[in-house]
Amino acid sequence: DAGITQSPRHKVTETGTPVTLRCHQTENHRYMYWYRQDPGHGLRLIHYSYGVKDTDKGEVSDGYSVSRSKTEDFLLTLESATSSQTSVYFCAIRDSEMNTEAFFGQGTRLTVV
Amino acid sequence: DQQVKQNSPSLSVQEGRISILNCDYTNSMFDYFLWYKKYPAEGPTFLISISSIKDKNEDGRFTVFLNKSAKHLSLHIVPSQPGDSAVYFCAARGYALNFGKGTSLLVTP
Repeated sequence: DAGITQSPRHKVTETGTPVTLRCHQTENHRYMYWYRQDPGHGLRLIHYSYGVKDTDKGEVSDGYSVSRSKTEDFLLTLESATSSQTSVYFCAIRDSEMNTEAFFGQGTRLTVV
Repeated sequence: DQQVKQNSPSLSVQEGRISILNCDYTNSMFDYFLWYKKYPAEGPTFLISISSIKDKNEDGRFTVFLNKSAKHLSLHIVPSQPGDSAVYFCAARGYALNFGKGTSLLVTP
């Protein structure tokens, strides 16, 4: 199994509060991604990173920000959580441009009440 | 606009028979296509991939076929086993992986 750890695994938070999810990897992979999975939508890309301090938006980035200050950590922040951000969040990593597959973490189930 | 489409939300197949999962895409610039398998409460796991310059890739019971002119790929599982019951996601590689909505496969004994 690829060394990817997501924390927390489960979280319940209130509307309007900031939330940070963490993705930690021990593989020294260059690329890191945040996806969300929702019924009827599959996996949708929120943000991705192609190196330390290098990040870009995905298709559903509104309301989210990311930071990558170290190779091993990719943080996803919900600035002010809303009920529409209730979802399962997955982090993924990929080694290099030459590699095709990405490896996923176990996911974080976030509930915004 | 979704660039990768899996139009069958679910599929039920008897054990030992063939499972065929389909996927369509719109962007001809995608250079690799992948299939992932996902069990409940777990992250997706990589299953098999195919380069856009090939039309078939086989790995054990799993074969992926690519028809570039039709922008269509399919995953064949032969023979299907109850442990194959999961959600299967088709993905296409651009600057990131673009996923379809998934197909839930149920293999019945």
